[in-house]
Amino acid sequence: EVQLVESGGGLVQPGRSLKLSCLASGFTFSNYGMNWIRQAPGKGLEWVASISSSSSYIYYADTVKGRFTISRDNAKNTLYLQMTSLRSEDTALYYCARGEVQDWGQGVMVTVSS
Amino acid sequence: DIQLTQSPSSMSASLGDRVSLTCQSSQGIGNYLSWYQHKPGKPPKPMIYYATNLADGVPSRFSGSRSGSDYSLTISSLESEDTAIYYCLQYDEYPYTFGAGTKLELK
Repeated sequence: EVQLVESGGGLVQPGRSLKLSCLASGFTFSNYGMNWIRQAPGKGLEWVASISSSSSYIYYADTVKGRFTISRDNAKNTLYLQMTSLRSEDTALYYCARGEVQDWGQGVMVTVSS
Repeated sequence: DIQLTQSPSSMSASLGDRVSLTCQSSQGIGNYLSWYQHKPGKPPKPMIYYATNLADGVPSRFSGSRSGSDYSLTISSLESEDTAIYYCLQYDEYPYTFGAGTKLELK
C-alpha cells in the first residue's frame, strides 16, 4: 500500500524558513516523480513544485519560485520542501503526491503569522 | 499557463440524479486530465485519470469523458456520499494547474 507521510509543519513568522518532509513507503520511491501541492484555508488546490525521479528535472509555481526548493533523498525514501522568506499567503495545508498526482499524503499545516 | 475552467461552481442535485461536471481547458492537453473528490479533513481522492480511466476503488457510477477541450465527470446515480468538492487537474505541462472546483451538494 502506498503511504506518504508529511511532517515538519507548524507556526512560523513571516520571513522565516521551514522545511517539510514526506516519507514514502509501499512503492519504489526512486522510480517516481513527486510533487508538492497546497491548499490555503478556504481556497482551492494549488500545485507548488515537482521533481523527477532522479532529481534531473525540477519545476516550480511562479508564486514560490526563488523561495522554495524541492529535493529528494532516494536512499531515505524522502521528499523535501525547503521554504524560505515565508509570507502570510504561504499559509496552507501542504500535501505531497506521487507521480501523476495519483496518491496523496494526509497533508501538513503551515501557518505563517507573527 | 493552461487555464482550467470548471462549471458549475456549485450545484445541488437529488439522490439518484445523473450529474455532470465540466472542466474546459484553455489549451490542448490531450487526455492528461484527472478528477479528484475532496471532502473536509481528508486529502483529495483520485477519481479519474487520463481523462477517462477510473481510479482504483472508485465506484462504477463515476465516469470521465472528453469532447475536444471539454472534459466531464459524470455520476450516473447520485448517492449521499458523493457530496464533495470536485477538482480537475491538467498534468500535460508545467505548471500543473487545477480548476477552481465544483461544490456538489444534495438537494
